[in-house]
Amino acid sequence: DQQVKQNSPSLSVQEGRISILNCDYTNSMFDYFLWYKKYPAEGPTFLISISSIKDKNEDGRFTVFLNKSAKHLSLHIVPSQPGDSAVYFCAASAAGGSYIPTFGRGTSLIVHP
Amino acid sequence: NAGVMQNPRHLVRRRGQEARLRCSPMKGHSHVYWYRQLPEEGLKFMVYLQKENIIDESGMPKERFSAEFPKEGPSILRIQQVVRGDSAAYFCASSLTRQGSGTDTQYFGPGTRLTVL
Repeated sequence: DQQVKQNSPSLSVQEGRISILNCDYTNSMFDYFLWYKKYPAEGPTFLISISSIKDKNEDGRFTVFLNKSAKHLSLHIVPSQPGDSAVYFCAASAAGGSYIPTFGRGTSLIVHP
Repeated sequence: NAGVMQNPRHLVRRRGQEARLRCSPMKGHSHVYWYRQLPEEGLKFMVYLQKENIIDESGMPKERFSAEFPKEGPSILRIQQVVRGDSAAYFCASSLTRQGSGTDTQYFGPGTRLTVL
């Protein structure tokens, strides 16, 4: 059973526009959420995170929104740049699980010049 | 560059052989995590180790797989008698502290791509 779901395998966006990547989770015990970015042949790189006590966290062009009642989070990238083209993994963790993250399957973002 | 190192980057084994994957954590990190990524899948947690201790191996198959993180040297993920289904990318991550606070970040290595013929 997938506790973290990224239902869009891919997303294509024009440079300069907003990219919105979505993630849903089923485990109500999750209280910490992360986004990782992965280029081909490299390991994932931490991008941004949010605690369940917040509903928004912003870092430069990247903003993560958390809707606990809907068990949904999203990553907004604005403006999108060609260098943002990568696979984005959503991950969630819980104190009861020693905060070891559970990952979604990823969304491949392509930003066209 | 004191990032997480993994070697080899690519490993080809025939069915029945042994695979040994190595991971050197970031300098100063004593917590190591191994993940497996099957094609078209997300990363699946396998095992969490501290120096000389296995903390959580709930994600590791009970047979053929083992992991260690000795006092000196890299962490080793060992797969005995490999089968085709073991073909995957294996990622190692390290962190400075135990992930108890939820705010410590895991830093990932570039992965080892295992192909079983």
